[in-house]
Amino acid sequence: AQSVTQLGSHVSVSEGALVLLRCNYSSSVPPYLFWYVQYPNQGLQLLLKYTSAATLVKGINGFEAEFKKSETSFHLTKPSAHMSDAAEYFCAVSDPGYSTLTFGKGTMLLVSP
Amino acid sequence: DVKVTQSSRYLVKRTGEKVFLECVQDMDHENMFWYRQDPGLGLRLIYFSYDVKMKEKGDIPEGYSVSREKKERFSLILESASTNQTSMYLCASSPLGRYEQYFGPGTRLTVT
Repeated sequence: AQSVTQLGSHVSVSEGALVLLRCNYSSSVPPYLFWYVQYPNQGLQLLLKYTSAATLVKGINGFEAEFKKSETSFHLTKPSAHMSDAAEYFCAVSDPGYSTLTFGKGTMLLVSP
Repeated sequence: DVKVTQSSRYLVKRTGEKVFLECVQDMDHENMFWYRQDPGLGLRLIYFSYDVKMKEKGDIPEGYSVSREKKERFSLILESASTNQTSMYLCASSPLGRYEQYFGPGTRLTVT
């Protein structure tokens, strides 16, 4: 079965600092990987996706993620945090044989001035 | 843009009531999903459907049922609501053969 581990339920950064949110996955087949963002009292919005093309994936709002097969990782980064980035972020991996995703437990990003 | 709408943003129901949560998508997607979201537990899949009148159990189907009579509409039913079903419920859809899911705004259900 697929699983997703997001290291750190909360990550705090200062405005302008590097954002790094960690995601490790386990999958029996080459996976598709996703990052979603959730602002308070809203649904999830797709940030970016890896679908076996380029290993470095660029998404919306200046975020990017790198697929590293040897490390089974798909960490999310942004060079300079903005106050508006404060939200909860979810990593997800595809489930083979079904059109379903397995989600991590989420990481809350806190941005201080 | 894909639009997924949910019938209510906030709902308060009493224990034992039958509760219907409605979800509608306007992009002709084949797949639809219902999740519940709880702090510290992330998203857990309740049911999904890949076609009209078809349904598959997810990870936590107990206490829930679903209905998909039309392609664009997927309903989640709590036959007899209980306090442990107080949660945020999220609906999502995706096109056939694709994994990326598009989410509605969520329904925050409180059962008292």
